[in-house]
Amino acid sequence: AQKITQTQPGMFVQEKEAVTLDCTYDTSDQSYGLFWYKQPSSGEMIFLIYQGSYDEQNATEGRYSLNFQKARKSANLVISASQLGDSAMYFCAMREGGAAGNKLTFGGGTRVLVKP
Amino acid sequence: VTQTPKFRVLKTGQSMTLLCAQDMNHEYMYWYRQDPGLGLRLIYFSYDVKMKEKGDIPEGYSVSREKKERFSLILESASTNQTSMYLCASSPRLGDSPLHFGNGTRLTVT
Repeated sequence: AQKITQTQPGMFVQEKEAVTLDCTYDTSDQSYGLFWYKQPSSGEMIFLIYQGSYDEQNATEGRYSLNFQKARKSANLVISASQLGDSAMYFCAMREGGAAGNKLTFGGGTRVLVKP
Repeated sequence: VTQTPKFRVLKTGQSMTLLCAQDMNHEYMYWYRQDPGLGLRLIYFSYDVKMKEKGDIPEGYSVSREKKERFSLILESASTNQTSMYLCASSPRLGDSPLHFGNGTRLTVT
């Protein structure tokens, strides 16, 4: 089974609107962390936001927020007030606890195109 | 995190070393490959110079970490299915620490 699933390969969003990128994960660990990265066309991977499995509050970083629903094993990224510069690939990733905690496992990504 | 070269074209059967260097004194270093629709897949990772461990797709690759700040990915005999974007990353610790990525090496094997 896929550890991280991003079901939206691509999506359009109107400038200034909010967009939600879906991410579901699969783990039997109680302790784990979820990360979101942005990859613009220039290729660099930019860390956006982190959510720990024991965090009681949903993580927020500026215009980015994470809608964490633990029981549903989902960690959706919400980008508010989209800007043209938000056009990029977005990756969800998970670090599990225990011996697997050395690595991040990534989803397949969602390409976002912001329209003016 | 600095990766060299940025681009390379190889012929099948040739060997190559992809270089990665970080100046942040990070303990952990990683090699991923990125392919469309598959996201990033882990090839190898390393903790300091003491430990190297296979990731999810290590076949056809080996690694070297002779110094803490450098982590090399070695293709002994390149094949066309190794055509990909290769990303190196580093991290100071586990837990909530994100990975810091280089800008990648685009490799084409013909």
